Amino acid sequence: KNQVEQSPQSLIILEGKNCTLQCNYTVSPFSNLRWYKQDTGRGPVSLTIMTFSENTKSNGRYTATLDADTKQSSLHITASQLSDSASYICVVSAWYYRDDKIIFGKGTRLHILP
Amino acid sequence: GAVVSQHPSRVICKSGTSVKIECRSLDFQATTMFWYRQFPKQSLMLMATSNEGSKATYEQGVEKDKFLINHASLTLSTLTVTSAHPEDSSFYICSARPLAGGPEQFFGPGTRLTVL
Repeated sequence: KNQVEQSPQSLIILEGKNCTLQCNYTVSPFSNLRWYKQDTGRGPVSLTIMTFSENTKSNGRYTATLDADTKQSSLHITASQLSDSASYICVVSAWYYRDDKIIFGKGTRLHILP
Repeated sequence: GAVVSQHPSRVICKSGTSVKIECRSLDFQATTMFWYRQFPKQSLMLMATSNEGSKATYEQGVEKDKFLINHASLTLSTLTVTSAHPEDSSFYICSARPLAGGPEQFFGPGTRLTVL
């Protein structure tokens, strides 16, 4: 069964601290893995997208890693800011010819305290 | 680039009325558009996939006669919630996949529907 599990469910950290969010998946055949940031009441915004051959990708203070062997990904946020408070969603795609099956994780709700 | 808009951003309606939500890709053409529903503190749930010029494909459990989807052009898809009821109150989000292909999807800002 194709599944995407994220942990922790929620996380509270102080402004300026670093944090790491986890994503484990059982999706096959694997196509790509994406991390999105979703502010409350807004649509998701793409942070990173990684294919099978990529094991790390950065976007400013966001760095995503991918271990395709263990089917794990992480999103590391450096020097957190108040604006980082949001839900972070891991999305994994399974690619079927000319189409793909998209599986969403339930997200990690991150709260940054001043 | 790759901007997707939704209109309206927020709508309040009476029970029994129908509501239309528009999803537009502003600076690219989209072969495929997706419609999602999101309840508070829940993840996005795919409702249906629409391809331009053809009928939408609905996910299991989603009533096609209640959630009418029209994808009339490569830049516009509409979702009509017919005979809305309070349980239809939710956050509706669309996404679009560029004509150029590839896996990326670009999400709209969402529409908050409240049915009284």
